[in-house]
Amino acid sequence: NAGVTQTPKFQVLKTGQSMTLQCAQDMNHNSMYWYRQDPGMGLRLIYYSASEGTTDKGEVPNGYNVSRLNKREFSLRLESAAPSQTSVYFCASMGVGDTQYFGPGTRLTVL
Amino acid sequence: GESVGLHLPTLSVQEGDNSIINCAYSNSASDYFIWYKQESGKGPQFIIDIRSNMDKRQGQRVTVLLNKTVKHLSLQIAATQPGDSAVYFCAENRAYTGRRALTFGSGTRLQVQP
Repeated sequence: NAGVTQTPKFQVLKTGQSMTLQCAQDMNHNSMYWYRQDPGMGLRLIYYSASEGTTDKGEVPNGYNVSRLNKREFSLRLESAAPSQTSVYFCASMGVGDTQYFGPGTRLTVL
Repeated sequence: GESVGLHLPTLSVQEGDNSIINCAYSNSASDYFIWYKQESGKGPQFIIDIRSNMDKRQGQRVTVLLNKTVKHLSLQIAATQPGDSAVYFCAENRAYTGRRALTFGSGTRLQVQP
C-alpha cells in the first residue's frame, strides 16, 4: 500500500513551457486534491475532485487545469508556466472521514 | 479575510520538555480541525484531529485542545524528542461551505534542542 504517490519529484521549466504533474492513490478514496506550498507558508488549495468525474476550483486555480482520469489518478497541468508558479506541489486524497493523506510533493522551478 | 493562523513562527524546546503549539481560527462555523507535521522535504503527515463537538482529544504523546469560545486550538506534545523537530500546521475543514477541503495556517517550526 503506497498511499499517495506523485511524479516527478523535481522539475525545472522555462517560462511558457507546459507540463503535467501526476498523482495516484491506492486507498480507494473518492476525494483528491492539489495544493501548492510556497516558502514559509501553509498549503493553498488549487483544485479538488470530490469524486471521479468531477473537479472544482480551490483558492488559487488560475494558470492550472486538472483531470480526474479515474478514481486513482488526479493530474495537474500547467499550460504555460510562469515564475510565479515556482512552488512545491502536493497531492492529497481523502476517504470517508475528513482526514487527508498527502503525497511527497513535486518541487517545481520555473525560470 | 477568514483564516487559520498561528501565534508563534518558531518554538525551541529542550528534549524531554513538553511543547505547546497554538493556532487561532477566525470562523466559528468551522467544524473539524487537524494538526499536521511536516518534515523537511516531505509531505504533511497527519498527527491528530478534533471535531467541534469536543474540547480535548488525546493520542500517543499528543493532545489537542479546542476552545471554541476564543476560537483557539493547541497541540501539546509530551516529552518532546529530537524526531519531533518539524513544522506543524493546523488546518480547518470548512464543511459548511459544501466543500471537503482544508484551509491551512502558515505553520510553526518546532526545534528540539538535545
